[in-house]
Amino acid sequence: SQTIHQWPATLVQPVGSPLSLECTVEGTSNPNLYWYRQAAGRGLQLLFYSVGIGQISSEVPQNLSASRPQDRQFILSSKKLLLSDSGFYLCAWSGGGTQETQYFGPGTRLLVL
Amino acid sequence: GESVGLHLPTLSVQEGDNSIINCAYSNSASDYFIWYKQESGKGPQFIIDIRSNMDKRQGQRVTVLLNKTVKHLSLQIAATQPGDSAVYFCAENFGPNSAGGTSYGKLTFGQGTILTVHP
Repeated sequence: SQTIHQWPATLVQPVGSPLSLECTVEGTSNPNLYWYRQAAGRGLQLLFYSVGIGQISSEVPQNLSASRPQDRQFILSSKKLLLSDSGFYLCAWSGGGTQETQYFGPGTRLLVL
Repeated sequence: GESVGLHLPTLSVQEGDNSIINCAYSNSASDYFIWYKQESGKGPQFIIDIRSNMDKRQGQRVTVLLNKTVKHLSLQIAATQPGDSAVYFCAENFGPNSAGGTSYGKLTFGQGTILTVHP
């Protein structure tokens, strides 16, 4: 069966510091991968998606970036965090082609102070 | 920053009652719909899905209804239990046509509904 992992689970960072969140998927190959952000009491905002290694599409302009160095690894980064980057970050995967169901990881809660 | 005073729709029910959560979707070209359940501090959990060639689909204690005429989706939970308390999101997928024939599974999520089940 497939599993998706995210770490860290919780992170407190000062404004202006760098960020690296990691997501890995097990039990599948060549998944589509997604990063979402969820503010408290709000819906999910798609930040990035990837259909393959090195292929990243950005949905919203921001000071975040994403990379996919390996087939089942997806990384969310920032060089300098802003207060507005605080939120709950969720990684998701789906099968390629017509398998559009997305399965989410446990999330990382980020607080920028 | 976040909007102050933003409230998600809420539904409060008694344990054992049936619950109906509604969702209006935006794109008449959407051909795939999913309901997710999100408990506090956790990632969304897949509940049930339905494709646009169907009007109804049943799972264990849950039923999804799709009305394409009015672009409306609903989730019915039978015999609601306290463990069903969570935020419920609907999501729609525009399908392959919007991407030149390649479906990359991009979903658009609704804002969510808070379900509270009282013992």
